[in-house]
Amino acid sequence: QQQVKQSPQSLIVQKGGISIINCAYENTAFDYFPWYQQFPGKGPALLIAIRPDVSEKKEGRFTISFNKSAKQFSLHIMDSQPGDSATYFCAASPPGGFKTIFGAGTRLFVKA
Amino acid sequence: EAQVTQNPRYLITVTGKKLTVTCSQNMNHEYMSWYRQDPGLGLRQIYYSMNVEVTDKGDVPEGYKVSRKEKRNFPLILESPSPNQTSLYFCASSSIDRAYEQYFGPGTRLTVT
Repeated sequence: QQQVKQSPQSLIVQKGGISIINCAYENTAFDYFPWYQQFPGKGPALLIAIRPDVSEKKEGRFTISFNKSAKQFSLHIMDSQPGDSATYFCAASPPGGFKTIFGAGTRLFVKA
Repeated sequence: EAQVTQNPRYLITVTGKKLTVTCSQNMNHEYMSWYRQDPGLGLRQIYYSMNVEVTDKGDVPEGYKVSRKEKRNFPLILESPSPNQTSLYFCASSSIDRAYEQYFGPGTRLTVT
C-alpha cells in the first residue's frame, strides 16, 4: 500500500524553467511533509518542509504548495538550473516523525 | 564535521552468508533509522530506534535485525541474505524532538547472488 504517491517519475526541464513535482497522501494523521534531494552516489538531504497549517512555504527558488483538503502537496523549482538535476523525494510523517513514508521519487534533469 | 557514516559502501555476497552493515553518527542523535531504496519504490523503512536499547519495526523488517547498544551506532544485520535483499541501503539519524528532519549516510550498495 503506497501511502504517498509521487509524480511524475521523471522530468526534463529547460534551464530557467519551472520544475513541478506532485505528491498525494492518504493518511490524514500525517503532520509534516518534507522534500529530500538526492544527487547520484549520495544520501538524500532535507531540502524544504511544510506543516499542514500552512498553504505555502518558500525558500529561495524552492516552494512547497500544500492543499490539505485535497491531500496533495507539490514542489516548485523556479528558474531551474542544471545543478538542480537530482532525484527528489516527497515524504510524509505522522506526529513524532518516527515512521516517515517516502514517495517513489522523481528524477529531474535540467537541460542547459 | 557532523556526519553519518556507513560501512562498507559496496558489498557483494552470496545467499545465506551472514553480514553486518555498520552505521555511526557523531551528532549525539537519539533517533536512528535504516531504509532500503529500490527503483520505483522510493525509500522504505526497515527498522528504527528512538534510543539505546529501543528499536521498532518499519515497513519492511522481514529478513533484517538491528541492535542499538550504543547511542552512536546502529548496525543492520542480515543473518541469511537472499537475492531479494539486493538493494541500496541508507542509515539516517536525527534528534528525538526533530525526528522528521533526518540526516542520511552515503549509502551501502548490497548485491546478493
